[in-house]
Amino acid sequence: TQLLEQSPQFLSIQEGENLTVYCNSSSVFSSLQWYRQEPGEGPVLLVTVVTGGEVKKLKRLTFQFGDARKDSSLHITAAQPGDTGLYLCAGDQAGANNLFFGTGTRLTVIP
Amino acid sequence: DTGVSQDPRHKITKRGQNVTFRCDPISEHNRLYWYRQTLGQGPEFLTYFQNEAQLEKSRLLSDRFSAERPKGSFSTLEIQRTEQGDSAMYLCASSFATNEKLFFGSGTQLSVL
Repeated sequence: TQLLEQSPQFLSIQEGENLTVYCNSSSVFSSLQWYRQEPGEGPVLLVTVVTGGEVKKLKRLTFQFGDARKDSSLHITAAQPGDTGLYLCAGDQAGANNLFFGTGTRLTVIP
Repeated sequence: DTGVSQDPRHKITKRGQNVTFRCDPISEHNRLYWYRQTLGQGPEFLTYFQNEAQLEKSRLLSDRFSAERPKGSFSTLEIQRTEQGDSAMYLCASSFATNEKLFFGSGTQLSVL
């Protein structure tokens, strides 16, 4: 069973559209990270959110951590073909020595 | 380039053979992680080292899987008597501190025929 469920699993949109990806869990996390992974490569960290309700922006990407620290969202404004990839959320539970990764959202942005 | 490197990038083997993968972490990082990723899924944690000490190995998938980091630098992951279900991407990552930013390698794609 996955601790972190992401939705949607697949998303295909036109260039310039906005989108939101969700990461949900019934567990509380000390922090949550978002990664982007391209085919044949390892994931690359985009952002870490730590405080419940925290919002972080990275250019056209906006990340939010839920107030209860059980969920998170990633919003992309005016998507570009370069945003194409697998977006993964990963949670850190207190006392755990590893990150738990979500199921991933595969985004395709069509030019 | 001083990122995490993994070798080989691709490995094709026959069922029942043993395989070994190598990971060279970023040199200043004392924490090293192994993950497995199957198609359409997120990475699944396997094991973790702090320096040469293997602090978590309960999530290794079976006793056919073992990992070492003998001098606290590079690490190896061995799978004995491979099965078709072992086919996956095996990812290595390193970090300064537990669950801080993970730097991943490009992975080793294993195909068991």
